[in-house]
Amino acid sequence: ILNVEQSPQSLHVQEGDSTNFTCSFPSSNFYALHWYRWETAKSPEALFVMTLNGDEKKKGRISATLNTKEGYSYLYIKGSQPEDSATYLCAFIVYNQGGKLIFGQGTELSVKP
Amino acid sequence: KAGVTQTPRYLIKTRGQQVTLSCSPISGHRSVSWYQQTPGQGLQFLFEYFSETQRNKGNFPGRFSGRQFSNSRSEMNVSTLELGDSALYLCASSFETRLGDTQYFGPGTRLTVL
Repeated sequence: ILNVEQSPQSLHVQEGDSTNFTCSFPSSNFYALHWYRWETAKSPEALFVMTLNGDEKKKGRISATLNTKEGYSYLYIKGSQPEDSATYLCAFIVYNQGGKLIFGQGTELSVKP
Repeated sequence: KAGVTQTPRYLIKTRGQQVTLSCSPISGHRSVSWYQQTPGQGLQFLFEYFSETQRNKGNFPGRFSGRQFSNSRSEMNVSTLELGDSALYLCASSFETRLGDTQYFGPGTRLTVL
């Protein structure tokens, strides 16, 4: 059974704090890793698709890195804002099963003004 | 471009009934994947359809089935509903998942089984 672990489960920070989360996944048969942001009552929103070891992606104040050899990815948020409050999900894709996202349980981020 | 749409948004059924959920992908997308979200299990993959063929399947019983039409719209059917089928069902569309393309999610259908 393929397992994707995310930590921490939840995080409460003050506006302006920088924060980071971890996603751990099996390093064998790796194909891609997706990051999503899911706000309450909305659809999950795609942040990044990462495929290569050493990949670094950035979108505004959010960035992510990937280490496929050791099986982890970090998501960083610089200067958190209340609108960043959401659940952040990572999803692993096994080689040759492109449509099957295996999700972690998510990290719930709450940013207080 | 219009996003992924799902109908209905909310549904209440009783045990033993069956239900059909619908998903319309983003125009031009040929892949549709379905996921079940429950508080205890998180988001779990049900199946993926591409060009009217099931390409991947998750670990769900045969009561869960799906199909895809020539216009890429997809339906998911659950027969003989059980209380544990109460969940949020999300579909996601992509141009071609084998290229590692992003999957775009719809708003979901909230199913309650009484």
